[in-house]
Amino acid sequence: AQSVTQLGSHVSVSEGALVLLRCNYSSSVPPYLFWYVQYPNQGLQLLLKYTSAATLVKGINGFEAEFKKSETSFHLTKPSAHMSDAAEYFCAVSKGSNDMRFGAGTRLTVKP
Amino acid sequence: DTGVSQDPRHKITKRGQNVTFRCDPISEHNRLYWYRQTLGQGPEFLTYFQNEAQLEKSRLLSDRFSAERPKGSFSTLEIQRTEQGDSAMYLCASSPTSGASYEQYFGPGTRLTVT
Repeated sequence: AQSVTQLGSHVSVSEGALVLLRCNYSSSVPPYLFWYVQYPNQGLQLLLKYTSAATLVKGINGFEAEFKKSETSFHLTKPSAHMSDAAEYFCAVSKGSNDMRFGAGTRLTVKP
Repeated sequence: DTGVSQDPRHKITKRGQNVTFRCDPISEHNRLYWYRQTLGQGPEFLTYFQNEAQLEKSRLLSDRFSAERPKGSFSTLEIQRTEQGDSAMYLCASSPTSGASYEQYFGPGTRLTVT
């Protein structure tokens, strides 16, 4: 069964600084990988996805993630944080249509 | 495309009462999912429909929980004899059958508080 581990339940950065949110996955087959963002009292919004095409995936709001098979990682980055990026971020793994598994989430705080 | 909608957004109920939530998926999406999310955790899979067929149920879905999707469009999730441990955000998501990326589109959720 596949699973996801998000390292760091809380990350704090200054506005304009690099954002790095870590995600490691476990999967017995080539996975589909996703990053979602959740703002307070809202559902999840898809940021980006990896589906075995390019290993560097660009998403919305300036975020990108790199799939590294050798490290079983799919870390999320953004060169320059904005105040509006403050939210909860979830990494998820799937190998098919009905089995998406989410990490516990990382809360990103952006300091002015 | 109006997105996935859920109703109600918030529900407060007393322990022992029954509650029912509704999810309207994106209209052309055949797959529909229910998740439960507790504070500080990621969503946990509850059940999955392809059209009207319920194809998988998590062990988290006790016999007090039942989900339906009678016409392959909207879905309902009912919790009978609610317990305080049922307090959570209940999320619905949908995805298209075509394509192989399996991304899911989420609704805003229903927050249940059992007092």
